[in-house]
Amino acid sequence: AQSVAQPEDQVNVAEGNPLTVKCTYSVSGNPYLFWYVQYPNRGLQFLLKYITGDNLVKGSYGFEAEFNKSQTSFHLKKPSALVSDSALYFCAVRPLRDYKLSFGAGTTVTVRA
Amino acid sequence: EAGVVQSPRYKIIEKKQPVAFWCNPISGHNTLYWYRQNLGQGPELLIRYENEEAVDDSQLPKDRFSAERLKGVDSTLKIQPAELGDSAVYLCASSLATGGASPLHFGNGTRLTVT
Repeated sequence: AQSVAQPEDQVNVAEGNPLTVKCTYSVSGNPYLFWYVQYPNRGLQFLLKYITGDNLVKGSYGFEAEFNKSQTSFHLKKPSALVSDSALYFCAVRPLRDYKLSFGAGTTVTVRA
Repeated sequence: EAGVVQSPRYKIIEKKQPVAFWCNPISGHNTLYWYRQNLGQGPELLIRYENEEAVDDSQLPKDRFSAERLKGVDSTLKIQPAELGDSAVYLCASSLATGGASPLHFGNGTRLTVT
């Protein structure tokens, strides 16, 4: 069975500073990896995904994520955070030969002006 | 394109009462999911449909929960009777294909409060 760990419940950064949200995963075989963002009282919104190939993937709103197979990690990054990036972020994993998408518990990001 | 539409947005009921949630997926998306999101947690799958067939309902508490997807488009999730522990956000999602790299597209959810 697959699982996702987001070791930080909360991440606080100042606007303009780099933002990193950590994610590690456990899955049999190769994974598909996803990041979603959830704003208050809204559903989850897809940010980016890793399928294969380049370990650095770029997504919406200036976000990117780095896949590291040896560390089984898929950390989300943004070089310069905005106040509007304040939200709840979820990492998710799906095995290549399975449909089941498993989510982490989420990380609350707060960007202060 | 229009996104996944869910209704109602909020529902407050007393325990032992029935409740139903409705979902209209993105046009052309054959796969539909219902997730439950408890406070402070990630979404957990309740049931997955391929067209009108429920292909995975292993996580659905069948003693009180039921779901249907008539004609392979809209879907309804029902709880009868509701319990206090059912208070959560119920999310509907759809995707173009099952598995693989197809991302899920989520609706805004229905926040259920059982008193």
